[in-house]
Amino acid sequence: GQQLNQSPQSMFIQEGEDVSMNCTSSSIFNTWLWYKQDPGEGPVLLIALYKAGELTSNGRLTAQFGITRKDSFLNISASIPSDVGIYFCAGRFGGSSNTGKLIFGQGTTLQVKP
Amino acid sequence: DTGVSQDPRHKITKRGQNVTFRCDPISEHNRLYWYRQTLGQGPEFLTYFQNEAQLEKSRLLSDRFSAERPKGSFSTLEIQRTEQGDSAMYLCASSRGQLATNEKLFFGSGTQLSVL
Repeated sequence: GQQLNQSPQSMFIQEGEDVSMNCTSSSIFNTWLWYKQDPGEGPVLLIALYKAGELTSNGRLTAQFGITRKDSFLNISASIPSDVGIYFCAGRFGGSSNTGKLIFGQGTTLQVKP
Repeated sequence: DTGVSQDPRHKITKRGQNVTFRCDPISEHNRLYWYRQTLGQGPEFLTYFQNEAQLEKSRLLSDRFSAERPKGSFSTLEIQRTEQGDSAMYLCASSRGQLATNEKLFFGSGTQLSVL
């Protein structure tokens, strides 16, 4: 199935460091969402972006909707051990064919060393 | 908690058996989605319902798979004659189904299927 290109695949960082991950697509999306997934659980919504250029924060998390509408990034500042998990970007097409379904990236696995 | 609920959380079955999973969406959410996720991959879309109508099915959804949402509330996903390749996490998500694009999908905890 179609997926987005998400990078990096994995990150191992020290507690307190900032983290950045991004997602790119060959297609234009009108919505970008970022999710976090813990082992054995479903994805939990972190941030939703609806306009090109939009910059949105949720606590220590900041995400941006790329101006080209083909990319998005997520930053986590001052990482803590509970940030450990897999982060997924997801995009949605717009227009009359908008079924609301999301296309997901392959995920970025984050590990934080205390 | 009125989040998306899925049952069972885990299912182990033998190849060739039929299995059925249930999803209860968030109350008043009229869109319901099924996704499949294999290890190391992001979720992949299977199908979605607008109320009781199944409006889209992915090519991933072979004829052994069937999903229903008879009253526009809960949904079931059945897999007949399971194969080892069906082993995956099956995720359900729901949304309000707003016409506007600022729609958010909320996921359940998933059903982990293992086919032996």
